Amino acid sequence: GENVEQHPSTLSVQEGDSAVIKCTYSDSASNYFPWYKQELGKGPQLIIDIRSNVGEKKDQRIAVTLNKTAKHFSLHITETQPEDSAVYFCAEGDTGYSTLTFGKGTMLLVSP
Amino acid sequence: GAGVSQSPRYKVTKRGQDVALRCDPISGHVSLYWYRQALGQGPEFLTYFNYEAQQDKSGLPNDRFSAERPEGSISTLTIQRTEQRDSAMYRCASTPSTGFTEAFFGQGTRLTVV
Repeated sequence: GENVEQHPSTLSVQEGDSAVIKCTYSDSASNYFPWYKQELGKGPQLIIDIRSNVGEKKDQRIAVTLNKTAKHFSLHITETQPEDSAVYFCAEGDTGYSTLTFGKGTMLLVSP
Repeated sequence: GAGVSQSPRYKVTKRGQDVALRCDPISGHVSLYWYRQALGQGPEFLTYFNYEAQQDKSGLPNDRFSAERPEGSISTLTIQRTEQRDSAMYRCASTPSTGFTEAFFGQGTRLTVV
């Protein structure tokens, strides 16, 4: 079955620094890679996604890169702010199945 | 409210009892997903529906778990003869169309089996 490895499990940075979270997957048929942010007491919320025909996507301070050959994708947050503190989940999906497999999450703590 | 609504927010039940968890998706959303999230883990797929049809139930752990969405809107996840290992956060998500689009998650139901 599908498997998604996410690293690191926790990440502490100073405000203004960059943060990078990496995920690897095993299913070569995967072609959809979303990232979700989960704040305390809330459900996961989509922040950015990328499909397999694109190598990089940016949205303001957030970017995602995808390397299909190596089967890994990464989330990059620049100029981090305290409100970026949350748990971030990567996920992968195969459009043939319409379901997502999530990583275990990364707790990001941005200190002022 | 325009979001996905789940009820109850918290449920404590005794081992052996049946529980029913409710999900009210965003109005008009075609697909509805159920996930289970253990503490410190990512959501784990259970089952999903397109309209009223259950498309995939491969993630349901065993036959004590079942789900329905009879009118293509509200869905109920039922766990019969609950066990302590069923304790987890149960999350519902809906998407406006089939296939991979943004999934909107509810706040979840925290189930504790004592």
